[in-house]
Amino acid sequence: EVQLLESGGGLIQPGGSLRLSCAASGFIFKNYGMNWVRQAPGKGLEWVSGISGSGDTTFYADSVKGRFTISRDNSKNTLFLRLDSLRAGDTAIYYCAKADYHDSRGHFDFWGQGIPVTVSP
Amino acid sequence: DIQMTQSPSSLSASVGDRVSITCQASQVISIHLNWYQQKPGKAPKLLLYDASNLETGVPSRFSGRRSGTDFTFTISSLQPEDVATYYCQQYDDLPITFGPGTKVDLK
Repeated sequence: EVQLLESGGGLIQPGGSLRLSCAASGFIFKNYGMNWVRQAPGKGLEWVSGISGSGDTTFYADSVKGRFTISRDNSKNTLFLRLDSLRAGDTAIYYCAKADYHDSRGHFDFWGQGIPVTVSP
Repeated sequence: DIQMTQSPSSLSASVGDRVSITCQASQVISIHLNWYQQKPGKAPKLLLYDASNLETGVPSRFSGRRSGTDFTFTISSLQPEDVATYYCQQYDDLPITFGPGTKVDLK
């Protein structure tokens, strides 16, 4: 059974940093691209970042480019998202999502339960 | 960026009704369009991929089709458990973009 479990969220002041983790199990992690998708309170879904299965290709939404960094440790079956220079507009539930291809694009067939990040003084 | 529009933004229907949602892409995206269901407080769930392919385990009352840059998602017979918000998503080009969502509830 595929499982994705996010951790590392919480309340952070503007300008601060966080590192989110997503522990994966139930599939061959290195074979699949992974993504982060966020959802601000009461809003729709926004794709944030993606990474290929090997980790050598990364992609970012313009809204987070230069502030967020996606990475993965295939030896530990874990996906990461480093969030720097956080702003109030980054407040959201952050989901990790598995792509059905080695590339991070395609359809997202499994999602984590989500982890809240709140940016506030 | 490829813009995705969805209509309607919300709808109310009775159990057993046929329900359709339209998603339009701002440019040609081939069949690179997926549909997700999100229930309150839960993560999104993949229902259909590549415009019309039913994800494993998803009931056959859900279907999708493509006509050019217009995509239609249909629930053939609405069930109480289908109350949710539905999102389309394109992955033809980066950034990946989602439609604004359609909230479906029971009349």
